[in-house]
Amino acid sequence: EAGVTQFPSHSVIEKGQTVTLRCDPISGHDNLYWYRRVMGKEIKFLLHFVKESKQDESGMPNNRFLAERTGGTYSTLKVQPAELEDSGVYFCASSRGSSGSTDTQYFGPGTRLTVL
Amino acid sequence: AQSVSQHNHHVILSEAASLELGCNYSYGGTVNLFWYVQYPGQHLQLLLKYFSGDPLVKGIKGFEAEFIKSKFSFNLRKPSVQWSDTAEYFCAVNPKAAGNKLTFGGGTRVLVKP
Repeated sequence: EAGVTQFPSHSVIEKGQTVTLRCDPISGHDNLYWYRRVMGKEIKFLLHFVKESKQDESGMPNNRFLAERTGGTYSTLKVQPAELEDSGVYFCASSRGSSGSTDTQYFGPGTRLTVL
Repeated sequence: AQSVSQHNHHVILSEAASLELGCNYSYGGTVNLFWYVQYPGQHLQLLLKYFSGDPLVKGIKGFEAEFIKSKFSFNLRKPSVQWSDTAEYFCAVNPKAAGNKLTFGGGTRVLVKP
């Protein structure tokens, strides 16, 4: 079974540019999550999809971040325009179940974003 | 808001030493608890998890963790570490009433010297 994959692994952009990160979850996993780790800080939740619907987007920092999951398969996270404080590692995770009672999230390798 | 505290940011120890990493959380309801590990150059992997039942949980690679509800703790242990245990370890909590999102601690970097 293939794991969660993310693309690109690294991205270096200038302030004001746009970047789109992609996540492919484990096949059959309805739940998809985005997290972010800013350097020196803890990993923080951004949002949660169940299939193509946003279940919880309480962690999205501001409206420069747009996440989509058209068709309920892969997801993209777009940052437009990027700011210096957006630098960090963006993790994607997926899980099978629709309930939080016994659900386990499996993480991708992350995308390291550097905004100059 | 709930929070997760990992008391040690860095731990250095020699092979064969015992390891214990502390994790405390600040949520009073029912929780799911996890320990994840990130080896150098690799992605986050699940070490072990607690949902219910026996509070002593055994995971992969000889790790175990004990849930002590009265102390809001979920400490990770390994009796004898190896050089290959060098990694960053993350405690994570999912309050069952808060949907699926995980709240992570700040991570503990463990360096095992050969």
